[in-house]
Amino acid sequence: ELKVEQNPLFLSMQEGKNYTIYCNYSTTSDRLYWYRQDPGKSLESLFVLLSNGAVKQEGRLMASLDTKARLSTLHITAAVHDLSATYFCAVGDSNYQLIWGAGTKLIIKP
Amino acid sequence: DSGVTQTPKHLITATGQRVTLRCSPRSGDLSVYWYQQSLDQGLQFLIQYYNGEERAKGNILERFSAQQFPDLHSELNLSSLELGDSALYFCASSPRAGPTEAFFGQGTRLTVV
Repeated sequence: ELKVEQNPLFLSMQEGKNYTIYCNYSTTSDRLYWYRQDPGKSLESLFVLLSNGAVKQEGRLMASLDTKARLSTLHITAAVHDLSATYFCAVGDSNYQLIWGAGTKLIIKP
Repeated sequence: DSGVTQTPKHLITATGQRVTLRCSPRSGDLSVYWYQQSLDQGLQFLIQYYNGEERAKGNILERFSAQQFPDLHSELNLSSLELGDSALYFCASSPRAGPTEAFFGQGTRLTVV
């Protein structure tokens, strides 16, 4: 059974700093998705990573996938307040389902 | 705007009652997923339909049921409601059975009093 673990679950950081959120999963998969959720709002798709070594960047966010290590990272560069949100990763399993991480609540302080 | 429409946006009801949440998927999407998100919690997968057929079941209570109609819209029925059922209920859709990128609606906030 595929399990997905995100860490940290909570992150408070200063504007301008860099940080990384990690998404580990327990069995083989080559499909990983990152989503953003603002408080009380819907989930917005950020990145789709479909192969080993995939790297996607959008603004101050960069996501990568290492299928051999079963690890994806979401890197935040020079954080700004607008990036405060909860970030979820989701991994495709062999039963064609998306298995979700618990989410990382990110607070960026001015 | 993801193209997924959920109604109603908010719903307040009493314990023991029954409610129906509605979801219209993006044009062309055949899969519909239902999720429950309690306050400050992660996403709990409830159920998936693909082209009118139940595709996968998650942690869905027996008091809850869903269906997908020929026009591909879906309804989630919640009955004998309890206080603990208060949550955000999301519908998501995708083109295929999965796993694939899913697009989420704005959610229905259900409050049981």
